[in-house]
Amino acid sequence: KAGVTQTPRYLIKTRGQQVTLSCSPISGHRSVSWYQQTPGQGLQFLFEYFSETQRNKGNFPGRFSGRQFSNSRSEMNVSTLELGDSALYLCASSLAGGSEQFFGPGTRLTVL
Amino acid sequence: AQSVTQPDIHITVSEGASLELRCNYSYGATPYLFWYVQSPGQGLQLLLKYFSGDTLVQGIKGFEAEFKRSQSSFNLRKPSVHWSDAAEYFCAVGTPGGSYIPTFGRGTSLIVHP
Repeated sequence: KAGVTQTPRYLIKTRGQQVTLSCSPISGHRSVSWYQQTPGQGLQFLFEYFSETQRNKGNFPGRFSGRQFSNSRSEMNVSTLELGDSALYLCASSLAGGSEQFFGPGTRLTVL
Repeated sequence: AQSVTQPDIHITVSEGASLELRCNYSYGATPYLFWYVQSPGQGLQLLLKYFSGDTLVQGIKGFEAEFKRSQSSFNLRKPSVHWSDAAEYFCAVGTPGGSYIPTFGRGTSLIVHP
């Protein structure tokens, strides 16, 4: 089976812009989670989607949003980018929310 | 809600030495437990997992972990470390049958000296 794929791998944006990141889960996986990873804060949970519904949400401002499509592919969007949004954004898929997660390689977002 | 603590931010070992990375969790019942490894700039790779049964779990790359209910611990071990093991290691706890996603520890950075 193909692994979790994330596009793009690298992205450079300027403050105030918006960005959309994409994640394709492993075939058959219905749960997709998004994480933000920074050196100072570690791995922070953004949100989880299961069967096109947001099932869990972390403690992030409303500028961070996501969605999941009927084929389980997911996108996350960050509007009005801030310098502090620079991070590695990781997507993970699983069969069910509490079980083993498989991670993609991440999207490195740099905000200038 | 579950939580997980990795007490060591950095661990330094010499190549060929043994390794133990600590992980303590908080959860009311027997949780799902995981160890992941992350190389610089990469995603996380699953090393091993515990769901139930034998409390000593074997993983990839020669790693093993032991679930100790009495100590609420799930420490990762390797008898002989290789320079390529230098990476960030994350312990995670999940809830069996629940809709909650796993909770990750802050990670332990492993440095390997030649």
